[in-house]
This record gives sequence, structure tokens and C-alpha cells, in this order.
Amino acid sequence: EDQVTQSPEALRLQEGESSSLNCSYTVSGLRGLFWYRQDPGKGPEFLFTLYSAGEEKEKERLKATLTKKESFLHITAPKPEDSATYLCAVQAGRSGAGSYQLTFGKGTKLSVIP
Amino acid sequence: SAVISQKPSRDICQRGTSLTIQCQVDSQVTMMFWYRQQPGQSLTLIATANQGSEATYESGFVIDKFPISRPNLTFSTLTVSNMSPEDSSIYLCSVALGDYGYTFGSGTRLTVV
Repeated sequence: EDQVTQSPEALRLQEGESSSLNCSYTVSGLRGLFWYRQDPGKGPEFLFTLYSAGEEKEKERLKATLTKKESFLHITAPKPEDSATYLCAVQAGRSGAGSYQLTFGKGTKLSVIP
Repeated sequence: SAVISQKPSRDICQRGTSLTIQCQVDSQVTMMFWYRQQPGQSLTLIATANQGSEATYESGFVIDKFPISRPNLTFSTLTVSNMSPEDSSIYLCSVALGDYGYTFGSGTRLTVV
């Protein structure tokens, strides 16, 4: 069974205080690992897809990295507008009806204080 | 990336009634996905909907409770039937579009009283 565990559950940062969010996963053959941002009352907003260990992707103040067991979302010099819940999800490399299923973690709620 | 319009955005329903949620995509897609996000929980896939065929349901979800229609390549509906307070959740539709990963609608926040 695919599993995704995100830590911490909640994180409060001062504006400009860099930190990292963790996503640990177990999956039968990783096809892709996804990071999403979710604001209250809205659907998840796509951030990154990572496909293989060692891969890194960046977008503004966010940088996602991937190893064989976990992924990190690094936030550099965060601003209050970065406050949101960040979700991690994995897609297993299986065929058939289950091949499109994403398994999500519970998310990390980030609050950036001015 | 695709733009997904989901309606209604929220509703409060009486137990025992049904609610149909609509999902409209601005481009043609083969597969659409319906998720549930219970309070404090992660997103859980309910079913995958292909145009022209029966939806495929995940373990723990059945067609009688969550019937799905997929009449064309840009539209789908999910019905939550015979609702109980345990059905209070956010329901989300999603599509897969290449390098943009899976795009989600804004969700329907359902409260059953």
C-alpha cells in the first residue's frame, strides 16, 4: 500500500526565515511525486512534479528535491503570501485502472508571520 | 494548464437527500477524477471517469452512493446520494494534463445536517 507522510503538520515562520517541509513516501515504483499548494476554500494548485531521485525544481522562493525515500520543499525567505497548506502526493508506476491514482499526505500548514 | 469550473462551491443539505456536483473543463480530456477531502484528512480518490464508459471506483466507494456521469470529454458530474453527516467533506474534480500534473477544481464544500 502506498503511503505518504508529511511533517511537520504545522509550521510558523517569521517573514524571511527559511525552512523545509518534508514528505516521506513508500510506493511500489515511483512514477511521479507532486507538490501542491492549497489555500483555504480552494482546490490544490499544482507546484512541481519530480520523477527521479536527485531531481530538483524551483519556482520563485520554492525549491523541491527528491530522494528515493523522501522529498523536501525548501522555502527561502518566505513572505506572508506563502501561507497555505502544502500537499505532497505520489503516483505509483503500476499499470491498469490504478495507474492514475495519486496518494496524498495530510499536508503541512504553513503560516508566515510579518 | 486546464481551467476547471466546479459547481456548486458550497451547499448545506438535509440528510437523506442527494446533491449533484458539476465539473466543466475548458479543454477535452480523456480522464476525469473525483476526490474527497474530509476535515483534517488527505485527499482520497473516489473514482476515475472515462468518457463513454462506466466509472472505476476505488475501494470503499460504490456506484449506488456516488453515481458519476461523463457525457462528453469536457464535463462530468458526481452525485452524493442519500447523504448523512459523515458525507460532509470537500469534493474535488481533477484532470491530468501532461507536464502540469493533475489540475484540480476549486472544490465543493458540502455540509450535511
